[in-house]
Amino acid sequence: ILNVEQSPQSLHVQEGDSTNFTCSFPSSNFYALHWYRWETAKSPEALFVMTLNGDEKKKGRISATLNTKEGYSYLYIKGSQPEDSATYLCAFDSNYQLIWGAGTKLIIKP
Amino acid sequence: NAGVTQTPKFQVLKTGQSMTLQCAQDMNHEYMSWYRQDPGMGLRLIHYSVGAGITDQGEVPNGYNVSRSTTEDFPLRLLSAAPSQTSVYFCASSQNFLSDRGKETQYFGPGTRLLVL
Repeated sequence: ILNVEQSPQSLHVQEGDSTNFTCSFPSSNFYALHWYRWETAKSPEALFVMTLNGDEKKKGRISATLNTKEGYSYLYIKGSQPEDSATYLCAFDSNYQLIWGAGTKLIIKP
Repeated sequence: NAGVTQTPKFQVLKTGQSMTLQCAQDMNHEYMSWYRQDPGMGLRLIHYSVGAGITDQGEVPNGYNVSRSTTEDFPLRLLSAAPSQTSVYFCASSQNFLSDRGKETQYFGPGTRLLVL
């Protein structure tokens, strides 16, 4: 059974601090790794799709890296702001289905 | 574009009742899917469709039926509701998930919160 693990489950960060969290996935038969941002009472929204080992993607203060050989991706948030509070999901493509992690819930303390 | 729409937003059912959750998209996406989201777990795929007339099972299909008679609509039917089906259900679509092997962005609906008593 393929599994996608995200750590930590939740994270409290002071406003202005930078933070990062991890997504671990099977390293074999890799096609793509997705990151989504999910705000409370809204729908998940895509942040990044990463396909190549060593990929780095950036959107504003948020960036992500990908290591397909060891099966992990990091999501970084620089200078956290209250609007960054959300659950961050990663998903791994397997056999034409996306396998999702349980998410990292990020709470920014003012 | 309305994107992906779902109705109802919230529903309470009694055990044994049946109902249909509606999902529609106006982006001419070929791929549509249904997920359920339970506390502490990732989104789990129930059923998916790669085009009109074609559906397939996901990770947790038992107790659910789907059909895809048009590109736009992908309803999810609960045949005989059980308390274990209490969950939040999300419909998602993407342009053509299979042609670009997992690189397509999924667009999600707002979700349907279902409570089975």
